[in-house]
Amino acid sequence: GEDVEQSLFLSVREGDSSVINCTYTDSSSTYLYWYKQEPGAGLQLLTYIFSNMDMKQDQRLTVLLNKKDKHLSLRIADTQTGDSAIYFCAETYQAGTALIFGKGTTLSMSS
Amino acid sequence: NAGVTQTPKFQVLKTGQSMTLQCAQDMNHEYMSWYRQDPGMGLRLIHYSVGAGITDQGEVPNGYNVSRSTTEDFPLRLLSAAPSQTSVYFCASATLGTDTQYFGPGTRLTVL
Repeated sequence: GEDVEQSLFLSVREGDSSVINCTYTDSSSTYLYWYKQEPGAGLQLLTYIFSNMDMKQDQRLTVLLNKKDKHLSLRIADTQTGDSAIYFCAETYQAGTALIFGKGTTLSMSS
Repeated sequence: NAGVTQTPKFQVLKTGQSMTLQCAQDMNHEYMSWYRQDPGMGLRLIHYSVGAGITDQGEVPNGYNVSRSTTEDFPLRLLSAAPSQTSVYFCASATLGTDTQYFGPGTRLTVL
């Protein structure tokens, strides 16, 4: 069945770039997503990429998609304290609208 | 628009009790779904619906029932609550075939 894998933790220094990686299994997914969840809050759609694209840039965010390897990454440039959160990668479930989420990567700032 | 609303925000149940988590949206979205979020597990799909009268199971449907009698509402029922159902529950809605899902604020459920 569908599965989405991500590393659980990432620690970066303020001002550095963060790269969060994700692998997925369903090659029929039309869209792939990145969601952000701050402590005690709901999910916020950060960005998404259509499956026929390799890259999408949106201000400080860059999404890279390697369809051959089923690998998705999210790069956050100039990481700030406000970027500390859990980041979820998601693919569509059975090529529909429902989502399958990874377990989430907790991004934190190191001193 | 209020978007996606969920009630209650918090609920404590005893094992064996039943309850219904409410979800409503005012965006005329065909698609609605329920997820549960547990520490270290991400969000897992419980049930979803692609329109009034149509529901289907997701990854973890056992112990939960849903119905979709109207476009606006998609309640989630726990018939006999178990401690394993302690979780945060999120409802989401979307227009079918689009790229954006809208999530509700969540219901934090504790089963003792």
